[in-house]
Amino acid sequence: DTGVSQDPRHKITKRGQNVTFRCDPISEHNRLYWYRQTLGQGPEFLTYFQNEAQLEKSRLLSDRFSAERPKGSFSTLEIQRTEQGDSAMYLCASSLEVAGAGANVLTFGAGSRLTVL
Amino acid sequence: GQNIDQPTEMTATEGAIVQINCTYQTSGFNGLFWYQQHAGEAPTFLSYNVLDGLEEKGRFSSFLSRSKGYSYLLLKELQMKDSASYLCAVPGNTPLVFGKGTRLSVIA
Repeated sequence: DTGVSQDPRHKITKRGQNVTFRCDPISEHNRLYWYRQTLGQGPEFLTYFQNEAQLEKSRLLSDRFSAERPKGSFSTLEIQRTEQGDSAMYLCASSLEVAGAGANVLTFGAGSRLTVL
Repeated sequence: GQNIDQPTEMTATEGAIVQINCTYQTSGFNGLFWYQQHAGEAPTFLSYNVLDGLEEKGRFSSFLSRSKGYSYLLLKELQMKDSASYLCAVPGNTPLVFGKGTRLSVIA
């Protein structure tokens, strides 16, 4: 397994355009998470899936943001009508959630850096 | 909700020992994580503490006091490659909530 893969690694777009990021988690992991990170800050939670079900969305995730995990494997995060404030690193992580197993260690991908001009 | 506080920046000398502190407030404690993040790279898991005390793993150790809402990460025999951000995180009602991270600079 090559770990968590994210694509593209870098995206530059003009304000108002739509962008889509893809995440391929570790294959045996059932949970997939999206976080956003800006310079000098820690990752901020956006949303997460268990298999194909989206279990939670942060208040940070405005109506312009949508995430899917249609077959419980890869996930996409789409941002519509991008704004300059959306410029950030978008991190994907995955984990194997086993009931009663204790610590749920997240494995992160290298991220997709978005720059909105 | 969760609230996590850690110093923004620290500088230490190669070969020395450094302690990075983290204080947290959470409504339901379910362990504390430390992650390392080099500039431009993904955060990588370092340690997980759920019981009080010190957990040692090579040059890195992590300590937890649940009653004080306090943890620290101890790095020994510092190397230049240890220059990175160190993120303290706690799970809550939502998946991991991260602090802002402590940027450690190791100097010769």
